[in-house]
Amino acid sequence: AQSVTQLDSHVSVSEGTPVLLRCNYSSSYSPSLFWYVQHPNKGLQLLLKYTSAATLVKGINGFEAEFKKSETSFHLTKPSAHMSDAAEYFCVVSDRSSNTGKLIFGQGTTLQVKP
Amino acid sequence: DTGVSQDPRHKITKRGQNVTFRCDPISEHNRLYWYRQTLGQGPEFLTYFQNEAQLEKSRLLSDRFSAERPKGSFSTLEIQRTEQGDSAMYLCASSLVGGPDTQYFGPGTRLTVL
Repeated sequence: AQSVTQLDSHVSVSEGTPVLLRCNYSSSYSPSLFWYVQHPNKGLQLLLKYTSAATLVKGINGFEAEFKKSETSFHLTKPSAHMSDAAEYFCVVSDRSSNTGKLIFGQGTTLQVKP
Repeated sequence: DTGVSQDPRHKITKRGQNVTFRCDPISEHNRLYWYRQTLGQGPEFLTYFQNEAQLEKSRLLSDRFSAERPKGSFSTLEIQRTEQGDSAMYLCASSLVGGPDTQYFGPGTRLTVL
């Protein structure tokens, strides 16, 4: 079975400081991992994805994530938070057991950015 | 804009009524997914279509739920005899077989059952 666990339900940072959102995964297969962001009243937007190429993945809006197989982690980082980064973030794994490509979402991390 | 669209964006209904939602995927995408997201949770998979064939249904999809994709383009999700527990955001996503396994999501339909 595949799953993701987001280690923090809520993260609060000050504008201009680094962001770290933590995610651990469990997968019997070589995983495809994603981070999606959901702003209030808006759809899910893909931030970045890992599909077994480079372990350091760069995404949109200055976000990046590092795939660490030894730690089964895929943490999301950004060097400097912006007020517009305040949103819900989801770590996601693609289910490769059924060949449908369905996504398995974590519980989400709410990022608060304080001025 | 040629992204995924969903209609309606909001639906308020009374318990026991039937509701139907529509999803229009990105035009060349042959995979279509429905997910449900309840408050404070991540989305959960409901069902999957490849072209017009419904190839997988979650155990979350009770007998009151039915989904179709009659011509392999748009899809509908119908809930019969709605219950308060059906209140949620219903999300549609699409992707391309053989292409990057990236799903693109629509804005969702928020259902409130009174």
